[in-house]
Amino acid sequence: DAKTTQPTSMDCAEGRAANLPCNHSTISGNEYVYWYRQIHSQGPQYIIHGLKNNETNEMASLIITEDRKSSTLILPHATLRDTAVYYCIVNHFGNEKLTFGTGTRLTIIP
Amino acid sequence: NAGVTQTPKFRILKIGQSMTLQCTQDMNHNYMYWYRQDPGMGLKLIYYSVGAGITDKGEVPNGYNVSRSTTEDFPLRLELAAPSQTSVYFCASTGRVNYGYTFGSGTRLTVV
Repeated sequence: DAKTTQPTSMDCAEGRAANLPCNHSTISGNEYVYWYRQIHSQGPQYIIHGLKNNETNEMASLIITEDRKSSTLILPHATLRDTAVYYCIVNHFGNEKLTFGTGTRLTIIP
Repeated sequence: NAGVTQTPKFRILKIGQSMTLQCTQDMNHNYMYWYRQDPGMGLKLIYYSVGAGITDKGEVPNGYNVSRSTTEDFPLRLELAAPSQTSVYFCASTGRVNYGYTFGSGTRLTVV
């Protein structure tokens, strides 16, 4: 599976949009981009995933560049409860296993 | 609908002891997983199962065993506990490959 690169940490002001980048320059055509987050000491929580089209759900939006080499997770109106580690994962279709990296520690500042 | 339930939440083991971490899900998911997470690190896959009676190794299977006799349950067995197995263990499940996983709340294990 393609490797991903994420910033180690980011801050965002409460109420603003949080934009979390992920680089996956070696992604192949049948690999999906997944985002999970882990709030302190809890189990990871699935957020969203996509293949090449932008995706939106009640939690977030996922913007994937046209060449698919990078993506951005957008939390439109960040709250203090969004403080967490965010994992960007690339996984090819049919692979039963997800491999987690170390993610981005997002801190929402009041 | 409880999702993925892990027991116990906390446990302290002495070196050489053994124990079973329990994981059960009520979503009729075929795919189940065990991960461990060391402090400040990402999750590492220990074992996984694609259905009852089928298990396979992940990245870090040494020192662990699993079984999957039913769709609902996926216990993780630690034999001869070692300090290196001090970690937080997460169980997860999904109904379909490429869908999101549902994780349990974890078991915090300390081996002394």
